[in-house]
Amino acid sequence: NAGVTQTPKFQVLKTGQSMTLQCAQDMNHNSMYWYRQDPGMGLRLIYYSASEGTTDKGEVPNGYNVSRLNKREFSLRLESAAPSQTSVYFCASSPTGFSTDTQYFGPGTRLTVL
Amino acid sequence: TQLLEQSPQFLSIQEGENLTVYCNSSSVFSSLQWYRQEPGEGPVLLVTVVTGGEVKKLKRLTFQFGDARKDSSLHITAAQPGDTGLYLCAGAGKGNYQLIWGAGTKLIIKP
Repeated sequence: NAGVTQTPKFQVLKTGQSMTLQCAQDMNHNSMYWYRQDPGMGLRLIYYSASEGTTDKGEVPNGYNVSRLNKREFSLRLESAAPSQTSVYFCASSPTGFSTDTQYFGPGTRLTVL
Repeated sequence: TQLLEQSPQFLSIQEGENLTVYCNSSSVFSSLQWYRQEPGEGPVLLVTVVTGGEVKKLKRLTFQFGDARKDSSLHITAAQPGDTGLYLCAGAGKGNYQLIWGAGTKLIIKP
């Protein structure tokens, strides 16, 4: 099992460009998450999907959109990238979405917006 | 707004020493988790605590959840270089579906 995979691993964008970060899990988990990690700020939830067909905003959703394509895949789109979106992005999944679940993380995407 | 504060932010010690890191809040959490993150990778779960006063041991790591469920600590005995990493605590937030994350303690164990 690959667990949670993310593509790309690194990306450099210019301000105003768009891109989609891809995430897939092979553990048959219902819930999936997108986080950003910035120095000194821990992980902040951007969007989550409690189950296939549903998505909800997290703490910092502005500037992002998501798509839960099917049970396996959850993508994050930046429509018009800004320097403030420079960060490391992590996708995670968990079996049920309840807070005591283990969240399984991908290796991250390191995004720089110039 | 629920917040989790971790201390210290950074700790560098010699192999074989003992250490404790803390995760504190003014809010009550129904559960709390500790994760370890190595450079270039995502966090990996170490433990989940759900009962006030609960103590869990994982080899040389001892985790404690405060009686009032507002704080937690991680104690490492005889630290080893393999313990190096960023230690993150995360508490159950609104609706029990979201986690509130601390900023982490960066731990370096020198051989």
